[in-house]
Amino acid sequence: NAGVMQNPRHLVRRRGQEARLRCSPMKGHSHVYWYRQLPEEGLKFMVYLQKENIIDESGMPKERFSAEFPKEGPSILRIQQVVRGDSAAYFCASSLNQNYLFSGNTIYFGEGSWLTVV
Amino acid sequence: GESVGLHLPTLSVQEGDNSIINCAYSNSASDYFIWYKQESGKGPQFIIDIRSNMDKRQGQRVTVLLNKTVKHLSLQIAATQPGDSAVYFCAEIGAGTALIFGKGTTLSVSS
Repeated sequence: NAGVMQNPRHLVRRRGQEARLRCSPMKGHSHVYWYRQLPEEGLKFMVYLQKENIIDESGMPKERFSAEFPKEGPSILRIQQVVRGDSAAYFCASSLNQNYLFSGNTIYFGEGSWLTVV
Repeated sequence: GESVGLHLPTLSVQEGDNSIINCAYSNSASDYFIWYKQESGKGPQFIIDIRSNMDKRQGQRVTVLLNKTVKHLSLQIAATQPGDSAVYFCAEIGAGTALIFGKGTTLSVSS
């Protein structure tokens, strides 16, 4: 499967626990994006990363949320001390680079990780 | 701030009809636009894209039109099928960083 892979697909956490969501981009893609989607709403940008660098984190909550994309391995979205309001679907997307005027480069999404905080 | 919106939250059509889903964007600096289809419980699925140096692009049963003068984008689906029922989002690349989504249009196709 050459698509964007996310795991776990479903995650249940009690309030105060930590949630870790993983994303493996498509083969050859070095740009990763994380989005959050609440029920019946659109996707809200959280963070944009390249290997070992955070490029844009303007959509990330200031506290409890962090993201990384190490040189080796998947990108991780980490939510500490989860609260019920963190319950949502979290989507990861990847692209080859940021030159979207290049035909063949676009942004593909994974199937998401559904976080439920109880 | 930047925003991408859709004119109608829902659209109901009969099987075989053509569907048109509209989107208005606000950032005149955006130069790349994508339409996604999202089914319940799944991730956004790429349908078609268009770059700002074009005003029309066709795929299989889908056509995207871009009018930069009025900052308007549309998705046309020919011979709509029940399997086309989903939420459709337009998205734009704003300021060279994040892909910005609108709230979506729910397309319902009845047989």
